[in-house]
Amino acid sequence: DVKVTQSSRYLVKRTGEKVFLECVQDMDHENMFWYRQDPGLGLRLIYFSYDVKMKEKGDIPEGYSVSREKKERFSLILESASTNQTSMYLCASSLYGGGGRTEAFFGQGTRLTVV
Amino acid sequence: QQQVKQSPQSLIVQKGGISIINCAYENTAFDYFPWYQQFPGKGPALLIAIRPDVSEKKEGRFTISFNKSAKQFSLHIMDSQPGDSATYFCAASILYNFNKFYFGSGTKLNVKP
Repeated sequence: DVKVTQSSRYLVKRTGEKVFLECVQDMDHENMFWYRQDPGLGLRLIYFSYDVKMKEKGDIPEGYSVSREKKERFSLILESASTNQTSMYLCASSLYGGGGRTEAFFGQGTRLTVV
Repeated sequence: QQQVKQSPQSLIVQKGGISIINCAYENTAFDYFPWYQQFPGKGPALLIAIRPDVSEKKEGRFTISFNKSAKQFSLHIMDSQPGDSATYFCAASILYNFNKFYFGSGTKLNVKP
């Protein structure tokens, strides 16, 4: 059974803290994504990675960075957490897009509260 | 600028009724259109998807209708059940462009018994 696992379900952090959100997939997928989910705004892409050490900015990268040192692991970093980064964060993975297998698999989400 | 626009934001349907959610896009390079279903406390999961070379795809009670010329697609849930109550997201991607998914804003469906 395919699996995308996010390290924490709930996190509470203080303003200014450096925050790490971890995601691991066991499907040998090339692509990994970090989305942010807010009511009425849907899922917005923060960053994605198509290979180890490769990354591309999504639609809302400001205030975030990412790291992909191994194929199965993709980390989202909030350099200095702010209250407007309070949100649900979703990690996803997928194959590159060829071969007809195109589904994105999501983790269960991390609800981050910055106080 | 949102690449995929979704409506309505919320929907209440009686059990046994038809639920319809609509999406529109601008980028004609999109070539894959999935719908995702999300239950509270869970990540989204693929429900059904369509490629632009067909106008309709049906899987059980769920049907995607696709209108390439109008750049619109919709999800129809026939015989809606209380267990269908969830948030639904439409999405679009370009398969050769790293398969990045662009999501709509979501529709919260409530099916009343």
